[in-house]
Amino acid sequence: AQSVAQPEDQVNVAEGNPLTVKCTYSVSGNPYLFWYVQYPNRGLQFLLKYITGDNLVKGSYGFEAEFNKSQTSFHLKKPSALVSDSALYFCAVRDRSSGSARQLTFGSGTQLTVLP
Amino acid sequence: KAGVTQTPRYLIKTRGQQVTLSCSPISGHRSVSWYQQTPGQGLQFLFEYFSETQRNKGNFPGRFSGRQFSNSRSEMNVSTLELGDSALYLCASSLGESSGANVLTFGAGSRLTVL
Repeated sequence: AQSVAQPEDQVNVAEGNPLTVKCTYSVSGNPYLFWYVQYPNRGLQFLLKYITGDNLVKGSYGFEAEFNKSQTSFHLKKPSALVSDSALYFCAVRDRSSGSARQLTFGSGTQLTVLP
Repeated sequence: KAGVTQTPRYLIKTRGQQVTLSCSPISGHRSVSWYQQTPGQGLQFLFEYFSETQRNKGNFPGRFSGRQFSNSRSEMNVSTLELGDSALYLCASSLGESSGANVLTFGAGSRLTVL
């Protein structure tokens, strides 16, 4: 079975400071990993994904994520937070090797608030 | 290019009724997945359709059903509504099957309130 954990329900950061939203995953094989963001009354928007290769993945709006296989983590980062980054962030995983686990499994979400 | 369109955006039903939600995927996308989002359970996978065939199903009771039409539009139906069915129902489409590294593009959702 595949699963995702986002240990922090809420992350607060001051505008201009770096931000990190944590994600750890569990799969039986190797993962495909994704980050999505949800603004109020909107659907989820894709930010970035890890397939293979470089452990540092760059995505939309200046976000990046670092894949760490030994720690089974895929933390989302941004060097300088903006107030407009305030939103709900979801990490998601698919097991690369499992034919039955085709669906995307999401974490519980982390509410990011960037304070002006 | 139009995004994923879900209708209706908001609806209120009473217990015991049934509801049908509609999703029009991005033009050319053949896969449609449905998710239920609630504050307590988060995002839970309902089912996925590809080329009019259900490819995968989540752990939901049989009251939840869906279908996909030849134009890739999809509907989901919930019968005998319960209070716990109140949720945001999200539809997502992808070009190919919802697998591997394929990215899902989500609609804005249909917010169902059951009274």
